[in-house]
Amino acid sequence: AQSVTQPDIHITVSEGASLELRCNYSYGATPYLFWYVQSPGQGLQLLLKYFSGDTLVQGIKGFEAEFKRSQSSFNLRKPSVHWSDAAEYFCAVGAGYGGATNKLIFGTGTLLAVQP
Amino acid sequence: SQTIHQWPATLVQPVGSPLSLECTVEGTSNPNLYWYRQAAGRGLQLLFYSVGIGQISSEVPQNLSASRPQDRQFILSSKKLLLSDSGFYLCAWSVNGEGFFGQGTRLTVV
Repeated sequence: AQSVTQPDIHITVSEGASLELRCNYSYGATPYLFWYVQSPGQGLQLLLKYFSGDTLVQGIKGFEAEFKRSQSSFNLRKPSVHWSDAAEYFCAVGAGYGGATNKLIFGTGTLLAVQP
Repeated sequence: SQTIHQWPATLVQPVGSPLSLECTVEGTSNPNLYWYRQAAGRGLQLLFYSVGIGQISSEVPQNLSASRPQDRQFILSSKKLLLSDSGFYLCAWSVNGEGFFGQGTRLTVV
């Protein structure tokens, strides 16, 4: 069965420091991978996605992620964190793409706190 | 452009009362529609999805039901709420595998 693991429940970084959020997935075929961000009490906004091609994908707000098939990982990175990046981040894998469902399977999220 | 509307934003309901959350999508036709529930520390759990009018698939057994009376309308319901139904409910639609989410409904069952 498809699954997504985000091993870090809570991360705190200093403003201006680099950031890496980990994501591992389990999927039987080529995965479609996503990172979403959620501000408190809000819906989810797509940061970036990987469908195929270049394994390093660029997203909005200066984020990037690298797909590593050998490690079943899709870690999210940002070279310099801003205070406004404090939010909860969700990794997701698209299950059933190409069929009728396009279901997204989410990890449990990583809550990012940014210290001044 | 496509937009998704979800209401109400917050809801406090007593145990045993009925529930109806509504979601509508604009700017697209025949979308795949989804209801997710988000509980603290558990990420987003897919509850229902629909690929067309009247077509509902349930992902987990539960006290809730879903309906799709129109192409761009998706409703989450319950006849009698339980305390465990409290949570943050998100409606979404998808195209090409990418999900677009509403702003969510915070449901508190008291």
